[in-house]
Amino acid sequence: DADVTQTPRNRITKTGKRIMLECSQTKGHDRMYWYRQDPGLGLRLIYYSFDVKDINKGEISDGYSVSRQAQAKFSLSLESAIPNQTALYFCATSDTRQGYTDTQYFGPGTRLTVL
Amino acid sequence: DAKTTQPPSMDCAEGRAANLPCNHSTISGNEYVYWYRQIHSQGPQYIIHGLKNNETNEMASLIITEDRKSSTLILPHATLRDTAVYYCIVRGAYKYIFGTGTRLKVLA
Repeated sequence: DADVTQTPRNRITKTGKRIMLECSQTKGHDRMYWYRQDPGLGLRLIYYSFDVKDINKGEISDGYSVSRQAQAKFSLSLESAIPNQTALYFCATSDTRQGYTDTQYFGPGTRLTVL
Repeated sequence: DAKTTQPPSMDCAEGRAANLPCNHSTISGNEYVYWYRQIHSQGPQYIIHGLKNNETNEMASLIITEDRKSSTLILPHATLRDTAVYYCIVRGAYKYIFGTGTRLKVLA
């Protein structure tokens, strides 16, 4: 089984709809991240969470919200989806027990299309 | 946060070494260099990272210049499955800053 899972893997929705993307991990990592990727570009950080009670905005958080329901679960919500939020979304985890380097491990991604 | 510069694309013959350069001239003393790759639209896959010393693992080698302003990822014997976009990332306290990467094409 995959260590980092994302659901759904693909989603098509309409402008104005609320949508939630979910991320679960079995790695026991404390930190979790949400990124988006637009065609031909690298990943950009939306939100990150160092633990259940510590959630922080990344570089492109407008239009998004998150919830860290448990150490293993981190959800990303689009309150009112718009077409320019069409993108690939990736969840990642990292473990500070490794020390400063805390390498990030990525999920398989969710392809979201907003019509 | 330090930014990285990579060539947009490279070709490599199958079985030969692939050398992917990265410039990170504004890197700070405590920032690590990480390399990931992304095959098609899959999640980025961790390859290797380093601070000052050269590093090697089962996937690749990382050569960091003495002034730490540039590095090279070496895939010693490239295969067709190594065709991917390779990202060089300078990592500060927690954050990865992705550039647009190098699209490596391994040719049969």
